[in-house]
Amino acid sequence: QKEVEQNSGPLSVPEGAIASLNCTYSDRGSQSFFWYRQYSGKSPELIMSIYSNGDKEDGRFTAQLNKASQYVSLLIRDSQPSDSATYLCAVNRLNQGGKLIFGQGTELSVKP
Amino acid sequence: DGGITQSPKYLFRKEGQNVTLSCEQNLNHDAMYWYRQDPGQGLRLIYYSQIVNDFQKGDIAEGYSVSREKKESFPLTVTSAQKNPTAFYLCASTPSGAGADTQYFGPGTRLTVL
Repeated sequence: QKEVEQNSGPLSVPEGAIASLNCTYSDRGSQSFFWYRQYSGKSPELIMSIYSNGDKEDGRFTAQLNKASQYVSLLIRDSQPSDSATYLCAVNRLNQGGKLIFGQGTELSVKP
Repeated sequence: DGGITQSPKYLFRKEGQNVTLSCEQNLNHDAMYWYRQDPGQGLRLIYYSQIVNDFQKGDIAEGYSVSREKKESFPLTVTSAQKNPTAFYLCASTPSGAGADTQYFGPGTRLTVL
């Protein structure tokens, strides 16, 4: 079992729809969870961080965390073609400072 | 402008050569990291450093070396011992204190072996 798993996609949604990206992790002690967006050929940029169970909203983005089920998700409302990118889920490594484990990423395509 | 810079953007290496990738940050971040990304894959940790003059191996350190002589700089050398070095290399850093596990990335260096 991979430590952090994501569906590789591609996930295709029409413009204006809600895109739902999911991530599961194996280390039950993980405390910090991150979503990064990576455009083709570019470096990852941080979208959201979440530390507590529940929802965290930032503009069109909502991160959801369920530690009991060991999953974290990212919802993108009113999806735009500019949201087309690969989304990386990252989880901290327990008792290893700032080290993160990354999933392989989910490719999102928003069709006009 | 505060940020993380990596150079060069593109690098071509011949078989058997060592090459050094530069990573500099002026964010006053304590910890710095090097990752490798292969097509369609996530990031794999090569080396990391939490303080000056100290660094630790990550998951795929074989064939790589680093130094951390200054807080601002964390260069990565890809040695001839690295059998498949063609990849996208990313440097990241994190602040100390609150948010110490939030990593911010430089623009990356794309290395190709000829």
